[in-house]
Amino acid sequence: AAGVIQSPRHLIKEKRETATLKCYPIPRHDTVYWYQQGPGQDPQFLISFYEKMQSDKGSIPDRFSAQQFSDYHSELNMSSLELGDSALYFCASSPRTGVVANYGYTFGSGTRLTVV
Amino acid sequence: AQKVTQAQTEISVVEKEDVTLDCVYETRDTTYYLFWYKQPPSGELVFLIRRNSFDEQNEISGRYSWNFQKSTSSFNFTITASQVVDSAVYFCALILMEYGNKLVFGAGTILRVKS
Repeated sequence: AAGVIQSPRHLIKEKRETATLKCYPIPRHDTVYWYQQGPGQDPQFLISFYEKMQSDKGSIPDRFSAQQFSDYHSELNMSSLELGDSALYFCASSPRTGVVANYGYTFGSGTRLTVV
Repeated sequence: AQKVTQAQTEISVVEKEDVTLDCVYETRDTTYYLFWYKQPPSGELVFLIRRNSFDEQNEISGRYSWNFQKSTSSFNFTITASQVVDSAVYFCALILMEYGNKLVFGAGTILRVKS
């Protein structure tokens, strides 16, 4: 079965550079969630999209932006990167209705961003 | 407040020992779901179980079992006859259904199983 696909798996950037992370949800899933997991930390919710509209926002820095496209894939754009942005970035997808009862909550394998 | 507490930061056991990972949650919702995820050293989040607030039946899956008790707001996870491959970080999480289904995670418990 198709899973949530994230690319790239690893990314190394220098301070002040820009990074773009991509997430391809499970087919027919219309909701995408982004999480950030710093070293030794638990995943923290950043932002979510439903039907290409932002549906909820967490502790996402103003330097970060995200969008969901017509094919439901999502991109997380991070500018003016800082050392503290080094983390694992996870994406999850779900259908909006019956999400928990029927489908649970599945994460992609994550993108490991290292800022040097 | 809606939160998840995993009081055990790190647990070390010897192979074949049983180990229980504790999870206590707080929520004002009457309908809610709890999850357990495993994060091995490779970093991915592996889904283990989902439990809804109306189903207090304990569940067993192979060497894994879960004990859900609403009276104490706990959802504990037991690994029987632990193996080295069980070494990972384990997260308990609560879904906030009134907030777009985002997950709130506990801080995680590092499990080290020694041979």
